[in-house]
Amino acid sequence: EAQVTQNPRYLITVTGKKLTVTCSQNMNHEYMSWYRQDPGLGLRQIYYSMNVEVTDKGDVPEGYKVSRKEKRNFPLILESPSPNQTSLYFCASSFRYGANVLTFGAGSRLTVL
Amino acid sequence: AQKVTQAQTEISVVEKEDVTLDCVYETRDTTYYLFWYKQPPSGELVFLIRRNSFDEQNEISGRYSWNFQKSTSSFNFTITASQVVDSEVYFCALRYSSASKIIFGSGTRLSIRP
Repeated sequence: EAQVTQNPRYLITVTGKKLTVTCSQNMNHEYMSWYRQDPGLGLRQIYYSMNVEVTDKGDVPEGYKVSRKEKRNFPLILESPSPNQTSLYFCASSFRYGANVLTFGAGSRLTVL
Repeated sequence: AQKVTQAQTEISVVEKEDVTLDCVYETRDTTYYLFWYKQPPSGELVFLIRRNSFDEQNEISGRYSWNFQKSTSSFNFTITASQVVDSEVYFCALRYSSASKIIFGSGTRLSIRP
């Protein structure tokens, strides 16, 4: 089944404790991206990647890091999480950009205390 | 500025009523793509429709229809004879052919009352 898999789905952590949210797709997509969803703000793009070793900032990159060492994986790293990063996170991928439809993961709900 | 506005934060209607969700966008590009996604309570966004900037033909799919008007920069979504199962959050999005960013609206939460 074609899908985007995120883990963990739910996480409660404390301020400053580094964490990684993994994202993997099995569709050979070139484009991958991360979003956060907050009430009243919709989805905001954190980082995106056009292909392996090519990443770029979205609209809200502060406090996050990403890497794209393999085509299928695009982990989101929070080096020192803070409470304002409490949010619902989505990973998505598409074949390329432009007209291509995004396939989303199921979401990861992160709470930082 | 490049922006997507969904002014209706929440809409509540009674089952079987028709309902229209508004989407207004701003862009300087001449080539772009507009999308609608829905988000059920489970959370995962699901693709509904895509339109490119050169195709203003309206589209109908069952009870769903979309009206794209470049003159007003709008891409509205209508559900005819709404059903309780239509109660989800709906997002409009704008994507460019020349760039990799995608801009989502803030979403409209639709509640259909029995």
